[in-house]
Amino acid sequence: DAKTTQPNSMESNEEEPVHLPCNHSTISGTDYIHWYRQLPSQGPEYVIHGLTSNVNNRMASLAIAEDRKSSTLILHRATLRDAAVYYCILAGNNRKLIWGLGTSLAVNP
Amino acid sequence: NAGVMQNPRHLVRRRGQEARLRCSPMKGHSHVYWYRQLPEEGLKFMVYLQKENIIDESGMPKERFSAEFPKEGPSILRIQQVVRGDSAAYFCASSPMGTGIYEQYFGPGTRLTVT
Repeated sequence: DAKTTQPNSMESNEEEPVHLPCNHSTISGTDYIHWYRQLPSQGPEYVIHGLTSNVNNRMASLAIAEDRKSSTLILHRATLRDAAVYYCILAGNNRKLIWGLGTSLAVNP
Repeated sequence: NAGVMQNPRHLVRRRGQEARLRCSPMKGHSHVYWYRQLPEEGLKFMVYLQKENIIDESGMPKERFSAEFPKEGPSILRIQQVVRGDSAAYFCASSPMGTGIYEQYFGPGTRLTVT
């Protein structure tokens, strides 16, 4: 299973954009890039996923490098409720999600 | 549409007892996944089931752990003769039937404490 590398922690100010990076240099052609987040004491929550093209939804945007070896999750305006651990995960057709340690995002008021 | 439901939310067992964790997937979802999360760690995949079938159990410990997803009723993760190292949060997720890549919807988890 391909691995991802994320910074351990990041900090942001409320109402400012946040760019969460993820490196996945061993990604295969059939791997999708998924992002989930986990708020304290809760189950993970799906954020967004993509294959090659950039993706937008109501929660966030996902920017995927042309060579697919890295991606960036973009929260356009951070709120206090966005403080969570963000996981970047590669998933193939086997539906099995392999989780790393993620990035712990702190949002300052 | 109710989300993924797990019960109990908290479970305390003494060493050697059995733990049964239940998961009801979202309506219309026929795929269920179980994950375990130790304190300060990411989630670890345990098992992936469809109705009445185990599709992938590569993350399940070889002994004491079993999972099922019967035709009727919730999915059950069963841990026999629990030990202190089984203390963790256990999360269940579900996704709909069909091909392609689908996001997984997670329940609130069951926090198992073994004393």
